[in-house]
Amino acid sequence: NAGVTQTPKFRVLKTGQSMTLLCAQDMNHEYMYWYRQDPGMGLRLIHYSVGEGTTAKGEVPDGYNVSRLKKQNFLLGLESAAPSQTSVYFCASSAYYRRPTNSPLHFGNGTRLTVT
Amino acid sequence: DAKTTQPNSMESNEEEPVHLPCNHSTISGTDYIHWYRQLPSQGPEYVIHGLTSNVNNRMASLAIAEDRKSSTLILHRATLRDAAVYYCILRELQGGSEKLVFGKGTKLTVNP
Repeated sequence: NAGVTQTPKFRVLKTGQSMTLLCAQDMNHEYMYWYRQDPGMGLRLIHYSVGEGTTAKGEVPDGYNVSRLKKQNFLLGLESAAPSQTSVYFCASSAYYRRPTNSPLHFGNGTRLTVT
Repeated sequence: DAKTTQPNSMESNEEEPVHLPCNHSTISGTDYIHWYRQLPSQGPEYVIHGLTSNVNNRMASLAIAEDRKSSTLILHRATLRDAAVYYCILRELQGGSEKLVFGKGTKLTVNP
């Protein structure tokens, strides 16, 4: 049981390049989230999804797109990378909220992205 | 979105108890209080959550004020491995917005 797996772990992009970050979870969770973390800024929500085929904007969605074509995968895309998108990106997943335990979020280990 | 307020940093000595506060004055009756922590160079991990009653698990205790406008995460005996950033967030039981906002958290330093 791998939990939440993020690929790649590290990536360096040049300004204007595009890339996709992959988040995969094997816990059959309905909800998935993408966060970014910059020094001194805590975690900021980019986009999230409450089910297959659905996505919604978070706090800082500009410059990013997401897709949830399969329940287990949540993709984060950067169409034209900018230096301001240099950050550590974390993916998280959670079970459906109506579970009695109000399930917690499970996080991946992050993707460190540098845009030069 | 319901918001939480935490001190930026706190310091403790090893093997002493630590009380990490969180204010959530706009909490609604159906919001769960969740705590997470993030060790250096790792993703956040779940610590504990509760609704109204105090909660205990192997990692920590959660004390919730009677009016639910504040809560305290209690580490009974801090160890060096507890040095981390601790986040308090609110999550709606009724599945309102899943726009879960973390904020900056409290950076806990544990002195040997």
